[in-house]
Amino acid sequence: DIQMTQSPSSVSASVGDRVTITCRASQGISSWLAWYQQKPGKAPKLLIYAASSLQSGVPSRFSGSGSGTDFTLTISSLQPEDFATYYCQQANSFPPWTFGQGTKVEIK
Amino acid sequence: EVQLVESGGGLVKPGGSLRLSCAASGFTFSNAWMSWVRQAPGKGLEWVGRIKSKTDGGTTDYAAPVKGRFTISRDDSKNTLYLQMNSLKTEDTAVYYCTTDLGYYDSSGYRHPKFDPWGQGTLVTVSS
Repeated sequence: DIQMTQSPSSVSASVGDRVTITCRASQGISSWLAWYQQKPGKAPKLLIYAASSLQSGVPSRFSGSGSGTDFTLTISSLQPEDFATYYCQQANSFPPWTFGQGTKVEIK
Repeated sequence: EVQLVESGGGLVKPGGSLRLSCAASGFTFSNAWMSWVRQAPGKGLEWVGRIKSKTDGGTTDYAAPVKGRFTISRDDSKNTLYLQMNSLKTEDTAVYYCTTDLGYYDSSGYRHPKFDPWGQGTLVTVSS
């Protein structure tokens, strides 16, 4: 199975900050990576797929980049509604589809 | 509006069985590939299994921890997805989400998943 490792596990930031989350795959997955946002007690929500494609309806302050084994999710200007946990998921090697352990974005 | 609503969760003893349902609306369910994803309390997301649309063969795939114990099925006439869970273990305790695997194809024709939307989840607790 492909292991996905996110860093940091948590980050404290203020409204308006630029936030970057990293995801590393245990082997190359080309550009086949997705990012999800999950708020407490809620279901995950798809933000980005194919490493950099923004899902319809997702604000443009979210962006993704990377290929191979190293990927990033960037929030260009953190908004109050962005405080949540973010997960990466590899979409290249099946089965199984695997997720990172999550990165919690907290209020500073 | 696209909507997925899970039901059937609850408390069950180790070794017991439970069947979860996921009612879909707002899209053509029969054309959709569907997955179950679970989340243990305070933990991350774990893909459980998937079922393809009948036009794509209707076959199922499972994660290793549940293979042979869990069965995914669908009733397209009822727009409903099921997860039959047998021989439950304490480590199966989690919120179970159903999600639509929208999928997209690369230049070689390989289908990659993107999970959207998700249901609200249903909690399964396995405890004596």
